Amino acid sequence: KAGVTQTPRYLIKTRGQQVTLSCSPISGHRSVSWYQQTPGQGLQFLFEYFSETQRNKGNFPGRFSGRQFSNSRSEMNVSTLELGDSALYLCASRLGHLTSGANVLTFGAGSRLTVL
Amino acid sequence: KQEVTQIPAALSVPEGENLVLNCSFTDSAIYNLQWFRQDPGKGLTSLLLIQSSQREQTSGRLNASLDKSSGRSTLYIAASQPGDSATYLCAVSINNAGNMLTFGGGTRLMVKP
Repeated sequence: KAGVTQTPRYLIKTRGQQVTLSCSPISGHRSVSWYQQTPGQGLQFLFEYFSETQRNKGNFPGRFSGRQFSNSRSEMNVSTLELGDSALYLCASRLGHLTSGANVLTFGAGSRLTVL
Repeated sequence: KQEVTQIPAALSVPEGENLVLNCSFTDSAIYNLQWFRQDPGKGLTSLLLIQSSQREQTSGRLNASLDKSSGRSTLYIAASQPGDSATYLCAVSINNAGNMLTFGGGTRLMVKP
């Protein structure tokens, strides 16, 4: 059973550009969430999607956006990149929207974004 | 605002030692607490999930306890091995939409052969 797949794994952008990151959840998983990991701030929640609807959003500026498609694949977009956006962006999927002991989050390996 | 703290930030032990990692959170109104492991450059692997109504969970050599009223959790690793070397993160969820986690800063563990 394939895990959570994130593409691209590594990318370099310059300030002012925009970037789109992709996440394919585990087959059958309908809930996808995104996290940003930086050395200074650690892991921070960006947003969560379930059945193509954004269910929760973290405290990030509007430059950060996302969406989920009918096949549960998700993309996140960051516009007008800043140096501080350099981070590991992690996607996680879950079978359903609610938590249970068996319904744990499975994380992908991440997309490492470097902004120059 | 929920804040999660992990102590120590880094730990180096010889192989075979039993060790305890600590996690504290400021708001006891949590729904569950999870422990994750992260290897360098990799994503997170879920180790244990404790619901707020539970006191502990065990998986192999790992045991996690939760004291919600005092805002603390511990992860106990028995008979540590070099393969346990990784960063361990705890995270709390404040509602049953458990994707919105608040993470601690992690404990970087090195187990020396």
